[in-house]
Amino acid sequence: DAKTTQPTSMDCAEGRAANLPCNHSTISGNEYVYWYRQIHSQGPQYIIHGLKNNETNEMASLIITEDRKSSTLILPHATLRDTAVYYCIGAGGTSYGKLTFGQGTILTVHP
Amino acid sequence: DAGVTQSPTHLIKTRGQQVTLRCSPKSGHDTVSWYQQALGQGPQFIFQYYEEEERQRGNFPDRFSGHQFPNYSSELNVNALLLGDSALYLCASSLFGAEAFFGQGTRLTVV
Repeated sequence: DAKTTQPTSMDCAEGRAANLPCNHSTISGNEYVYWYRQIHSQGPQYIIHGLKNNETNEMASLIITEDRKSSTLILPHATLRDTAVYYCIGAGGTSYGKLTFGQGTILTVHP
Repeated sequence: DAGVTQSPTHLIKTRGQQVTLRCSPKSGHDTVSWYQQALGQGPQFIFQYYEEEERQRGNFPDRFSGHQFPNYSSELNVNALLLGDSALYLCASSLFGAEAFFGQGTRLTVV
């Protein structure tokens, strides 16, 4: 599984875009980049995933660099309810969906 | 759709005892994974079940065992409980190793 590196914490003002970076320089060609978040005391929630191309869904956008060594999760209009720990994970290929969580980024959205 | 359901939500056990945790996957999902999350840490992969067999296992001792039933539900068993086994135990279900959906977890306290 790819090792990922994320900042420990980030702040964002409510209504502004939150841009969460992730480095995954060891990701292999058949591994996807997954993003999950965990709100205090709840189970992790799937946000988005991608392989090479940028992806967008109703929750967020995922921008993956051309060399696939890093990515950015974008929450376009952060709300207080987006305050959570965000995990970037490289998974797929032969891992059959096994997720290796790191420490993640604590995102705090301020009023 | 009830999503992933886990029972019980909270549990207190004594050192040396055995515990069984249960998980019902999201409708249509065939793969169940179990994770342990200690306080302040990211979830750690315990094992994954597919077609009633353990397909992958993380770095956990044999005291941790599991089972998957024909209806895809699953159990996690932990024998000879240690104080260090106190954690949030998360179940995740998926289809063909795609994005995982997590339950709310079982909070196990060993005293």
